[in-house]
Amino acid sequence: EDKVVQSPLSLVVHEGDTVTLNCSYEVTNFRSLLWYKQEKKAPTFLFMLTSSGIEKKSGRLSSILDKKELSSILNITATQTGDSAIYLCAHQETSGSRLTFGEGTQLTVNP
Amino acid sequence: AAGVIQSPRHLIKEKRETATLKCYPIPRHDTVYWYQQGPGQDPQFLISFYEKMQSDKGSIPDRFSAQQFSDYHSELNMSSLELGDSALYFCASSRSGNIQYFGAGTRLSVL
Repeated sequence: EDKVVQSPLSLVVHEGDTVTLNCSYEVTNFRSLLWYKQEKKAPTFLFMLTSSGIEKKSGRLSSILDKKELSSILNITATQTGDSAIYLCAHQETSGSRLTFGEGTQLTVNP
Repeated sequence: AAGVIQSPRHLIKEKRETATLKCYPIPRHDTVYWYQQGPGQDPQFLISFYEKMQSDKGSIPDRFSAQQFSDYHSELNMSSLELGDSALYFCASSRSGNIQYFGAGTRLSVL
């Protein structure tokens, strides 16, 4: 059974700090890993990572896949209170298939 | 840009009642997915449809059924509701098996 594990489960930082969220996976067939941000509503898409290993960036957020370590990290620099959310990592085995989510990391950014 | 539309946003039902949740995918998206998220848990895959045919089935109870219609909208029908069915139900859509975009969810409370 595919497994996605995120760490830490929760994290409290101050505005301006840099954070690194981790996601490791044990899956039969790897196609892609996705990161989502969930506030009090729907998960919103952040990044999709494939075995190409290319780093993805969007503003203060960046993410990269480590094929060798079967893991991914999500970095957020110069955090803001608006970054407070649950960050979900999910594996997708094939095109069009279900997402298998990790437990999520609850990030709290205090002013 | 148009997003995934779910209705209703909130639903309160009694035990043993039935409920119908609706999902309208992003225009030109051909695949719809349903997920259930219990309190403090990650989303769990229920079922998906591609071009109006069921494409994958997860941990969906036999009391639940779903379908995708000719206009690509989907409905999740839930019968004999139990207290444990109380959760946030998300619908997501994708085009050609790519990134899944989520709706705002339907919060179902079973009393």
